[in-house]
Formats: sequence, structure tokens, C-alpha cells
Amino acid sequence: EAEVAQSPRYKITEKSQAVAFWCDPISGHATLYWYRQILGQGPELLVQFQDESVVDDSQLPKDRFSAERLKGVDSTLKIQPAELGDSAMYLCASNVDGNSYEQYFGPGTRLTVT
Amino acid sequence: DQQVKQNSPSLSVQEGRISILNCDYTNSMFDYFLWYKKYPAEGPTFLISISSIKDKNEDGRFTVFLNKSAKHLSLHIVPSQPGDSAVYFCAASADAGNMLTFGGGTRLMVKP
Repeated sequence: EAEVAQSPRYKITEKSQAVAFWCDPISGHATLYWYRQILGQGPELLVQFQDESVVDDSQLPKDRFSAERLKGVDSTLKIQPAELGDSAMYLCASNVDGNSYEQYFGPGTRLTVT
Repeated sequence: DQQVKQNSPSLSVQEGRISILNCDYTNSMFDYFLWYKKYPAEGPTFLISISSIKDKNEDGRFTVFLNKSAKHLSLHIVPSQPGDSAVYFCAASADAGNMLTFGGGTRLMVKP
């Protein structure tokens, strides 16, 4: 069964350090999303890609966060420098195209900033 | 402001009984609603969905009801099983392919 892959699954970093997360969507899925889930809350969108283009990054803290999907397949989300408040689950999801609603999520990366 | 709300943070149900999880929304532009199930240390798994043109959608033990006038939807699980114990998220979308807006989740515990 096709799945969204994410790595690493867990990451512990000290504040002010740089950290990066990787996502490989379901093969053939054109739309890719990064969400952040703080404990006890629902996921919130950080950035959305359609192929290699950013569709929505209005909620991405651009002073410290960056995201790319250079070849329109896998994607990297980076935080530099990390802050204590960035501790959360970072979820990647994909959607076959822009005409469907269902999004399929990966297992997430649990980030702890100390 | 929270556009999707799940007012019950937790729910405990006996095995075999019905579980009813509720969700309210405020944005009239939402036209599609989804329920996701999440186990600890895993990503959300799509469970069932409903378009705003319908008032009910059923899939096996899971049924979602939509009341547009009340801006309310609910997920019914019958019969509940211990394996259903998880956090359930309600999500809404205003357009295909666009972001999902999630509620805060309800933790369901099904006791044997």
C-alpha cells in the first residue's frame, strides 16, 4: 500500500540549532502539505505545494522556516534557528491533485527543542 | 478564532455500545468534511468524509451526519471496539485540494 514517508521520526535539538525534516509523498501525488501539530491541538497548515510551486505559505514563519520541493517530488522543511516553541509534531500529507479533498498523512516527525 | 471545534476532549464508551463524536464549525464556505483517526506516534489516518450536499454517509461501522443549518457534524461508531480507541479529528475544507482546517480532537476510549 502506498504511503507517505517521513524522516526522521524523532529529533531532539538544542535551541538556536538548525533542523531539517524530509517527506516523500505517495507516488504520483502532485500536492504536498506540511502541517504542525502542537500537543493537544489539531494540525495546522504551514505550507502547501502544487508540484514544485508554493501554493500557500501564509502561515509559515518565514524568518526561521523554509520549505522546498525542488523537483516536485520529495520535500524538505527546515527550521533555523530552532526555538523552544517549535517543539511539536511535523506532519507531511499528500493529495493526488487539486481536485480531491482527501489528504494522506505520513507518520510525522516529533521535534523536541531543549 | 477556531473555525472547527470539537468541544469534548475525551469520551469513554463501553465495548459494543455506540460512540458519538461531535464537531461544530463556523465558516459557511466549508463544503467538505472529513474525520481522521490518530494513534499515538502515528500520523492521522483518513476515516470517512461527507460533502456538504449530503446529510449522511455510511461506511461499515462508521456513519457521519451533517446538519448544515446548525453547522454541526457527528461521527457515529457502532458497535464500538477496543481498537477504536484513538484521537479523532474533525476537519473541513472550503475547496478541493486546499488546506484542511482541523478541530482540536476528541480522545475516544473504548473499554472492554
